[in-house]
Amino acid sequence: AQTVTQSQPEMSVQEAETVTLSCTYDTSESDYYLFWYKQPPSRQMILVIRQEAYKQQNATENRFSVNFQKAAKSFSLKISDSQLGDAAMYFCAYRSMNNDMRFGAGTRLTVKP
Amino acid sequence: ETGVTQSPTHLIKTRGQQVTLRCSSQSGHNTVSWYQQALGQGPQFIFQYYREEENGRGNFPPRFSGLQFPNYSSELNVNALELDDSALYLCASSPGGTGFFTEAFFGQGTRLTVV
Repeated sequence: AQTVTQSQPEMSVQEAETVTLSCTYDTSESDYYLFWYKQPPSRQMILVIRQEAYKQQNATENRFSVNFQKAAKSFSLKISDSQLGDAAMYFCAYRSMNNDMRFGAGTRLTVKP
Repeated sequence: ETGVTQSPTHLIKTRGQQVTLRCSSQSGHNTVSWYQQALGQGPQFIFQYYREEENGRGNFPPRFSGLQFPNYSSELNVNALELDDSALYLCASSPGGTGFFTEAFFGQGTRLTVV
């Protein structure tokens, strides 16, 4: 079974600085998808960025980018120019071809003004 | 705004009771997944429905059951509630079935408290 591990329960970053959230996963599949979701206090999971495993190029969405290392099964999220609104729980998620999604335990990100 | 709506937003039930949670999927989405998120943890996959059929299930007992209707809305039913069932229940909809790359859009969740 696929597992997703987020080893950083909490992270803190100064406003306008850069922070990297770590994620590793375990799978025997070759085709899959990886996601980072943000969950603010409103509880709704918001998609931040996604990566298809067959693509070698790292995904980028504005201030958010990933470092995808398929052989190492690592999928970290970099947030540049951090803003107060980035404060939330961040979940790394793995989605297999049957659409079964597995989440990590989450990282709570605090942004200091 | 994702368009996935869940009801109710909060619910308190007594141990042993039964509960039904509802989810309206985003327009055009035929796949609905349900997740249980205990406090301080990541969501756990319960099951998924595609075109009214269950097509995937996580490690949850049979007292967790579901339905998907012709309009692709869905219900999650939990029988014989236990204290450990207290959690945030999230519904997610997506536009494709098995084998397609589809992005899941989440609702705001139903907070269930079992006392």
